[in-house]
Amino acid sequence: GESVGLHLPTLSVQEGDNSIINCAYSNSASDYFIWYKQESGKGPQFIIDIRSNMDKRQGQRVTVLLNKTVKHLSLQIAATQPGDSAVYFCAEAPSGGSYIPTFGRGTSLIVHP
Amino acid sequence: NAGVMQNPRHLVRRRGQEARLRCSPMKGHSHVYWYRQLPEEGLKFMVYLQKENIIDESGMPKERFSAEFPKEGPSILRIQQVVRGDSAAYFCASSPSGYKVDGYTFGSGTRLTVV
Repeated sequence: GESVGLHLPTLSVQEGDNSIINCAYSNSASDYFIWYKQESGKGPQFIIDIRSNMDKRQGQRVTVLLNKTVKHLSLQIAATQPGDSAVYFCAEAPSGGSYIPTFGRGTSLIVHP
Repeated sequence: NAGVMQNPRHLVRRRGQEARLRCSPMKGHSHVYWYRQLPEEGLKFMVYLQKENIIDESGMPKERFSAEFPKEGPSILRIQQVVRGDSAAYFCASSPSGYKVDGYTFGSGTRLTVV
């Protein structure tokens, strides 16, 4: 079946460095791609999303890049801070119908002070 | 705005007992979604409900699991005759509309442990 998956289960960075979290997807019908952050003991929190007609979108300290040719999604976090330590999930949702995101497995980001 | 409220935060049940998980959506949200998360895994969709209606239950196990969202009160996810494999974190999300990512908000989850 089609699925969303992540390349690396754990990413360790130093405070102040830039972080890049990658995600591969296989459902070509997906229209929405979303990044969520999940801190320990909490539910996922929306970070940023991008539609399939875009290849880049920027937020506050975060940038999402979408490469439809190779079905790849990435989340870049600038000047990573200890508070960014969490598990990051990419999710995808198809165009039309109800918005029910399909989640990938997650990448644990560890930021060392 | 209290956000999506789930209770209890932690629930321990013996094998064969029933588990009832509650979710109160954000004010103004009439769409509720339940997800299950196993350790080291992403969230898996279970069921999508609107008031008094089940819209999509494609992710719900066929047996022992049921969900409701009555006209008054919280949404309830019910697991009958729990087994060890039901141990997981169960998250609820709510949204004002079923079609957009805007406002789609998760609660903090209920962690079910079956002993």
